[in-house]
Amino acid sequence: DGGITQSPKYLFRKEGQNVTLSCEQNLNHDAMYWYRQDPGQGLRLIYYSQIVNDFQKGDIAEGYSVSREKKESFPLTVTSAQKNPTAFYLCASSPGLRDGSREQYFGPGTRLTVT
Amino acid sequence: AQSVTQPDIHITVSEGASLELRCNYSYGATPYLFWYVQSPGQGLQLLLKYFSGDTLVQGIKGFEAEFKRSQSSFNLRKPSVHWSDAAEYFCAVGADGNKLVFGAGTILRVKS
Repeated sequence: DGGITQSPKYLFRKEGQNVTLSCEQNLNHDAMYWYRQDPGQGLRLIYYSQIVNDFQKGDIAEGYSVSREKKESFPLTVTSAQKNPTAFYLCASSPGLRDGSREQYFGPGTRLTVT
Repeated sequence: AQSVTQPDIHITVSEGASLELRCNYSYGATPYLFWYVQSPGQGLQLLLKYFSGDTLVQGIKGFEAEFKRSQSSFNLRKPSVHWSDAAEYFCAVGADGNKLVFGAGTILRVKS
């Protein structure tokens, strides 16, 4: 069964702690993306990666970090520098630049609550 | 820069009635256009997409959308809404660097 998995579904942390959200895909996609979703604001791009060992900042990268050491994995760390980290986080993947479709496939999301 | 506007934050329709969700985009060339649907607390599912060719595209779950270049629009339609269609709908346009730009979403409520 091909797809994208995100774990955990719900995550609770205390303010000041870093937390890492997992995203794994077995679709053999080159590109992966992290979005943040807040009510009424749609999806905002945090970071994206077109290829292993390379990634770029999106529109709201401050307070976040990523790595792309394996094609299948694109973990997102929410650092203590992120002012308002409580949100719903979505990971996506796409075939990448070798495919012209630009279609993205989404994981089920992780809801992070920081208190 | 590319942008997407979904003018309606909420829409309520009766079950069995027709539906049209509006989407306007800003993009210089021929756009890649998408409609996604999201149930509460879930990820996004692709309903349909437009790249080129026939401007009326068919998607899953009985949805269709029409690309109108002159109006920079890509409105989503369904002839008869079912209660299970209640969800949030997002329009997106392909952007530089193999990215997507999303609209703010339209929440659809279906009343019985």
